[in-house]
Amino acid sequence: ETGVTQSPTHLIKTRGQQVTLRCSSQSGHNTVSWYQQALGQGPQFIFQYYREEENGRGNFPPRFSGLQFPNYSSELNVNALELDDSALYLCASRPTGGVGYGYTFGSGTRLTVV
Amino acid sequence: AQSVAQPEDQVNVAEGNPLTVKCTYSVSGNPYLFWYVQYPNRGLQFLLKYITGDNLVKGSYGFEAEFNKSQTSFHLKKPSALVSDSALYFCAVRASGANNLFFGTGTRLTVIP
Repeated sequence: ETGVTQSPTHLIKTRGQQVTLRCSSQSGHNTVSWYQQALGQGPQFIFQYYREEENGRGNFPPRFSGLQFPNYSSELNVNALELDDSALYLCASRPTGGVGYGYTFGSGTRLTVV
Repeated sequence: AQSVAQPEDQVNVAEGNPLTVKCTYSVSGNPYLFWYVQYPNRGLQFLLKYITGDNLVKGSYGFEAEFNKSQTSFHLKKPSALVSDSALYFCAVRASGANNLFFGTGTRLTVIP
């Protein structure tokens, strides 16, 4: 069973608003990534954090930002929401170490922008 | 640049028959390859990975995948399909030194009773 929990599970926001999505990773998982999965698409990489610093970013604008905390929790913040931001947002974490470690995904937050 | 192709949007197979879900990739250097499954309104569940070693990788729920370097493929297989295997399957690649997984567009598997 997954050790990554995300909240809330569903969220409806109005265009132009701001939203914060939360993720709690397993103990020892120092690396956390966020992905956006639009309807009918594969997940797309937003960014990754390692020990509270962003260390990788996909093709997403700066209004997508994040935070990682020492207690293995993290946040994804999206400002100035657009209709196209409607998607399933997935948090994934993995322990620090060799490349052999796979990512554990949470169940996601379904964001609807109206 | 890295890319993943899942050429079939939909695969239908009869229960008890073998199944194959295809995946080809393009990446610089040695690839790290993954298969994930997604059930409705759920996140991604890890099935298996290839990092190095034997080309045939065995994973969860009886699934396996074969890494073929010359064909740059990593097809997912199962000898005998179950109705409960019906789901959306994603192939993903991580390039050596990269921070992220790059996913294909997914293949919807339907196992017909």
